[in-house]
Amino acid sequence: SQTIHQWPATLVQPVGSPLSLECTVEGTSNPNLYWYRQAAGRGLQLLFYSVGIGQISSEVPQNLSASRPQDRQFILSSKKLLLSDSGFYLCAWSLTSGPTDTQYFGPGTRLTVL
Amino acid sequence: EDQVTQSPEALRLQEGESSSLNCSYTVSGLRGLFWYRQDPGKGPEFLFTLYSAGEEKEKERLKATLTKKESFLHITAPKPEDSATYLCAVQAPNFNKFYFGSGTKLNVKP
Repeated sequence: SQTIHQWPATLVQPVGSPLSLECTVEGTSNPNLYWYRQAAGRGLQLLFYSVGIGQISSEVPQNLSASRPQDRQFILSSKKLLLSDSGFYLCAWSLTSGPTDTQYFGPGTRLTVL
Repeated sequence: EDQVTQSPEALRLQEGESSSLNCSYTVSGLRGLFWYRQDPGKGPEFLFTLYSAGEEKEKERLKATLTKKESFLHITAPKPEDSATYLCAVQAPNFNKFYFGSGTKLNVKP
């Protein structure tokens, strides 16, 4: 069966510091991968998605970036964090075939920028 | 412009009191509608995918239905362990376009 991991689970960072969040998927090959941010009381906002190694599409302009160095690894980064980057970050995967792309989510990373 | 709207924002039920959650959407050419359950501090847990109007799916006390403009998540005889936030999402024809509602927070009292 497929498993998705995210780390760290929680993170407190000062404004202006760098960020690196990691997501890995087990039990499947060539998945679509996604990064979302969830603000308190709001819906999930899609930040990036990837259909393969080195292929990243950005949905929202921001100071965040994403990379996919390996088939089942997805990394979210920032060079300088802003207060507005605080939130709950979720990674998700889906199969690359089929009529829809049902997404399966990881446990999330709670980021607090102070 | 809101693509997905969920109502109510919050719902309090007594154990055994059945009810429905609503998800209305404005996306044209829907590829799929998804329901998730999210517990506090955790990632969303997949419940259902619905593809076309008229489709229904069930899982334990939950039943999801879909029309051309909205979906309902019916909860029959809920238990306290059904307390969670239920999220609805739709996928537009462009596969990378997913729109999530802000969720309905369900609280079931014993």
